[in-house]
Amino acid sequence: DTEVTQTPKHLVMGMTNKKSLKCEQHMGHRAMYWYKQKAKKPPELMFVYSYEKLSINESVPSRFSPECPNSSLLNLHLHALQPEDSALYLCASSQNRGNEQYFGPGTRLTVT
Amino acid sequence: LAKTTQPISMDSYEGQEVNITCSHNNIATNDYITWYQQFPSQGPRFIIQGYKTKVTNEVASLFIPADRKSSTLSLPRVSLSDTAVYYCLVEGRRALTFGSGTRLQVQP
Repeated sequence: DTEVTQTPKHLVMGMTNKKSLKCEQHMGHRAMYWYKQKAKKPPELMFVYSYEKLSINESVPSRFSPECPNSSLLNLHLHALQPEDSALYLCASSQNRGNEQYFGPGTRLTVT
Repeated sequence: LAKTTQPISMDSYEGQEVNITCSHNNIATNDYITWYQQFPSQGPRFIIQGYKTKVTNEVASLFIPADRKSSTLSLPRVSLSDTAVYYCLVEGRRALTFGSGTRLQVQP
C-alpha cells in the first residue's frame, strides 16, 4: 500500500467555523508533512513531523494547528480562517526526512 | 535556506529529450535534490532524487555538477502524457524549498 489518503476532498467553511483535515498513511513512514498550494504556485511547506514530533513549523499562523496522534495519522485543525487561506492543502509522508515523499490528492479548501 | 530557480515554461515535441535545470546556489552540505511531477488537481509525484554526480532510473536522469549549485532533470523521449509541471525540491534537516516549477508542454 503506497497511498496517502486525505479527507475531505473538498471543504467549504466560514470564517468562524472550526474544522479539521485528516491525512493517513500505512507505509510505516516516520515523517509527515503539511503543505499549502495556491493556484499555479509551488507547494509551500507548513509543518513537518518526524517520529511524531513537530520538527519544522514554517511560522504558520496559529489559526492552523497540526496534530500527529500516531505514526500513521496527521491532522490539521482549522479555526477562524481568512478567505486568503483558500487553497489546496497537501499531505505527504516519507520513510524518513530527506527521502522521497508520497503525496496525497489534497483537500481543496474554500473559506467564505 | 536554499533559494531555487527554474524556467517558467518549456515546449517540446513527442519523442524529444527534455532537460530542465534548477539553480540552487545556497544549497547546504547535507541537502538532497529531488524532482517531482504534478498534474492539475493532483499531488506531486516523485521522479528522481540525487546528492551529486548522475543518477538514472527507469523514467529520468538527474545530473548534478560537483559544486551542486544546480541540477538538471533529463526526460528521454517525452510523450504527450509528460505534459505537467515539474518541481525541484531541496531538502535538508532544517528546511525544505520547492522551486517555482516548470510547466512542460509536449506537442504531437
